[in-house]
Amino acid sequence: DQQVKQNSPSLSVQEGRISILNCDYTNSMFDYFLWYKKYPAEGPTFLISISSIKDKNEDGRFTVFLNKSAKHLSLHIVPSQPGDSAVYFCAASYTGNQFYFGTGTSLTVIP
Amino acid sequence: GAGVSQSPRYKVAKRGQDVALRCDPISGHVSLFWYQQALGQGPEFLTYFQNEAQLDKSGLPSDRFFAERPEGSVSTLKIQRTQQEDSAVYLCASSSDPWPYNEQFFGPGTRLTVL
Repeated sequence: DQQVKQNSPSLSVQEGRISILNCDYTNSMFDYFLWYKKYPAEGPTFLISISSIKDKNEDGRFTVFLNKSAKHLSLHIVPSQPGDSAVYFCAASYTGNQFYFGTGTSLTVIP
Repeated sequence: GAGVSQSPRYKVAKRGQDVALRCDPISGHVSLFWYQQALGQGPEFLTYFQNEAQLDKSGLPSDRFFAERPEGSVSTLKIQRTQQEDSAVYLCASSSDPWPYNEQFFGPGTRLTVL
């Protein structure tokens, strides 16, 4: 049973515009959420995280929003750059060590 | 390099063979994790070590899967009598200390294909 879902397998955005990647979860016990970025033939790399006590966390061009009542989080990238083209995974945890990943969204930023 | 390394990067096995996948974590990292990523899926947790102690192995799919980290650094994931459904990328990650929610640094993975 998939506890973390990314319903959009792919997304294309023009360079300079906003990219919005979405993630839904089912387990209300999750208290920590992360986004990872993955290039082909490489392992995922950490991008940004948010604790359930917050509803927003910002790091440069990347902002993660958490809506606990809707069990939804999103990653905003502004402005999008061609180097942002990658697969993005959201992940969630309630133990701090075991993370549940979504299936990923492939982002293409068009120059 | 100072990152997590895994070997081999690619492994082809005949059904029924045993395989061993190696992970070298970042030097000094206390925690080590193994994940299985099937095609088109996200990584799925397999097991977690803190130093040499295997604290959680709830994600191991069957008793054919075994992981060890005898000296608290290098880890090996062993799969006995491989089956076609074991075909996946096996990812290893490490983090710097045992506190929860620390960033996990991933290796490039080992792609296992079982024929």
